[in-house]
Amino acid sequence: GAVVSQHPSWVICKSGTSVKIECRSLDFQATTMFWYRQFPKQSLMLMATSNEGSKATYEQGVEKDKFLINHASLTLSTLTVTSAHPEDSSFYICSATEEGGSPLHFGNGTRLTVT
Amino acid sequence: QKEVEQNSGPLSVPEGAIASLNCTYSDRGSQSFFWYRQYSGKSPELIMSIYSNGDKEDGRFTAQLNKASQYVSLLIRDSQPSDSATYLCAVNKDQAGTALIFGKGTTLSVSS
Repeated sequence: GAVVSQHPSWVICKSGTSVKIECRSLDFQATTMFWYRQFPKQSLMLMATSNEGSKATYEQGVEKDKFLINHASLTLSTLTVTSAHPEDSSFYICSATEEGGSPLHFGNGTRLTVT
Repeated sequence: QKEVEQNSGPLSVPEGAIASLNCTYSDRGSQSFFWYRQYSGKSPELIMSIYSNGDKEDGRFTAQLNKASQYVSLLIRDSQPSDSATYLCAVNKDQAGTALIFGKGTTLSVSS
């Protein structure tokens, strides 16, 4: 089945620094990738939709200048959390779908802790 | 804005019993429905997808969809301790794409 790889699986960073998270589709071409965030005991909240070669579409309330998304190829999307703060500590999960396909395949997630 | 509602639980069932998980959604135009299982600290994994009214069976899992009542459920037969997890209900965000809106999840505990 379709595999989505996410790296790193966990990261600890200091407040004010930036962190980059990678999401790769390993055995299919992902024209669209999605970034979700999950706080403890909460559900997954869609942050943005990323299309290869175009700007990401952000959900209401998500700061595009803080959460930079780059979808440079059909197999790679990156999320950069800029100037991270403790309130950005969360579980970030990417997902991808093949063209015209559903449902979503999820990466293993990245646990971000900002100290 | 679309909403997906689930009872957070916990739902406790003995091993071998049937676990019934329920979900309601707000947008009558929703077309695609999914059940995901999420273990603590892990990302969700797809269990079932359903697109039309009625039942869909896959092994011990049965998804049921009733669009008139805006209701989707998941039945787990012969529940096992390994089924203990949080079950997330999701519906498509819009007809144009495959982004999903998730419920908060129901925590299932299967005791041996």
